[in-house]
Amino acid sequence: QSALTQPASVSGSPGQSITISCTGTSSDVGSDNHVSWYQQHPGKAPKVMIYEGTERPSGVSNRFSGSKSGNTASLTISGLQAEDEAEYYCCSFTRTYTYVFGGGTKVTVL
Amino acid sequence: QVQLVQSGADMKRPGASVKVSCKTSEYTFANYHVHWVRQAPGQGLEWMGISRFNGGNTPFAQKFQGRLTLTRDTSTNTVYMELRSLTSEDTAVYYCATERDFAYYFNPWGQGALVTVSS
Repeated sequence: QSALTQPASVSGSPGQSITISCTGTSSDVGSDNHVSWYQQHPGKAPKVMIYEGTERPSGVSNRFSGSKSGNTASLTISGLQAEDEAEYYCCSFTRTYTYVFGGGTKVTVL
Repeated sequence: QVQLVQSGADMKRPGASVKVSCKTSEYTFANYHVHWVRQAPGQGLEWMGISRFNGGNTPFAQKFQGRLTLTRDTSTNTVYMELRSLTSEDTAVYYCATERDFAYYFNPWGQGALVTVSS
């Protein structure tokens, strides 16, 4: 199972919106809505930000939103803040009942 | 609130095996699946496998087939991950993370356990 494809880095100024893409295949991202997104700060464990493609867990800011089209899922962060600077990973359930992560995207707040 | 407490850092020689523990509450142990995810230094997350609370199908990532064993101890509400035939490429932080049945996401995560493989 190959890793999902994410851009290595995305940057934006405070207050701006950025979008991170996550491209897979019809066997993972494109097969259903079981895509989740995780935020990881250096030296910390990952934290779920979005699940089932578009759902936000309680306690996660509504500045984070998810979407999906075909084999590509996306995470949008609006009103970018300094605390959003972190690594972001997408993850998808697959048709073989396993999971696969994306390579990660470093978000930099300029 | 679900909490996971993992064992501490460990160092192993190439060819050896390592066993990492993930202790949960009684409720979590009985109602949540436990996944294992690793992260090599400076690298991304890699899903390894799942230990199901109901003993169902437990697929592993293909690269770990034959080297990975996940076990549960009901007396201590602890899930164990054992990885055999270690090489330097297995040096990583190993995380456990829980999933409610049919949730398809991991929340929360343990604090991670660094395993270093070096001669």
